[in-house]
Amino acid sequence: NAGVTQTPKFQVLKTGQSMTLQCAQDMNHEYMSWYRQDPGMGLRLIHYSVGAGITDQGEVPNGYNVSRSTTEDFPLRLLSAAPSQTSVYFCASSPHRGTRDTGELFFGEGSRLTVL
Amino acid sequence: AQRVTQPEKLLSVFKGAPVELKCNYSYSGSPELFWYVQYSRQRLQLLLRHISRESIKGFTADLNKGETSFHLKKPFAQEEDSAMYYCALTGRGSTLGRLYFGRGTQLTVWP
Repeated sequence: NAGVTQTPKFQVLKTGQSMTLQCAQDMNHEYMSWYRQDPGMGLRLIHYSVGAGITDQGEVPNGYNVSRSTTEDFPLRLLSAAPSQTSVYFCASSPHRGTRDTGELFFGEGSRLTVL
Repeated sequence: AQRVTQPEKLLSVFKGAPVELKCNYSYSGSPELFWYVQYSRQRLQLLLRHISRESIKGFTADLNKGETSFHLKKPFAQEEDSAMYYCALTGRGSTLGRLYFGRGTQLTVWP
């Protein structure tokens, strides 16, 4: 049971390049999400999904796309990378859609992205 | 609008001293609050949630709706408590997609 797995752990891009951050979980969790973590800003929600085929925007969705074709995978796509997207990205999942149960998120190890 | 404020970016105490990490929130509905912790070289993980009224690793947090606060407290800090702590907020019955984090407080416990 690997939990939440993110790849790659590190990536350097040039402005304008595109890339996909992969996130997979093997816990059969319904809910998955992507956060970015910036110094002094805490964690900000980018996109989330409450189940296969369902996605929604969070606080800072611009410049990012997501899809949820399977329960296990929730990739985050940067369409045209910008220096402002330099950040540490975290994928998180939960067995529950809402807070009626635990409200607990299980996080990946993070992916550090630098855009030059 | 919802907001979580952690006024202290850095907090240092000596081992055995009491510690309090402050969290204030702004939310118009019924809030649910959480504390998450990230130890060095480990993943971010849930520490405790207000609805459970539990004590984890000696930490407690009480929701004070009058003061809109959810401060995290421990009477006797240990070196292994050194970590980054995040307060998080969502609305009762909301999806986890509406979980908002504060900016975090880095706690250092000196020997």
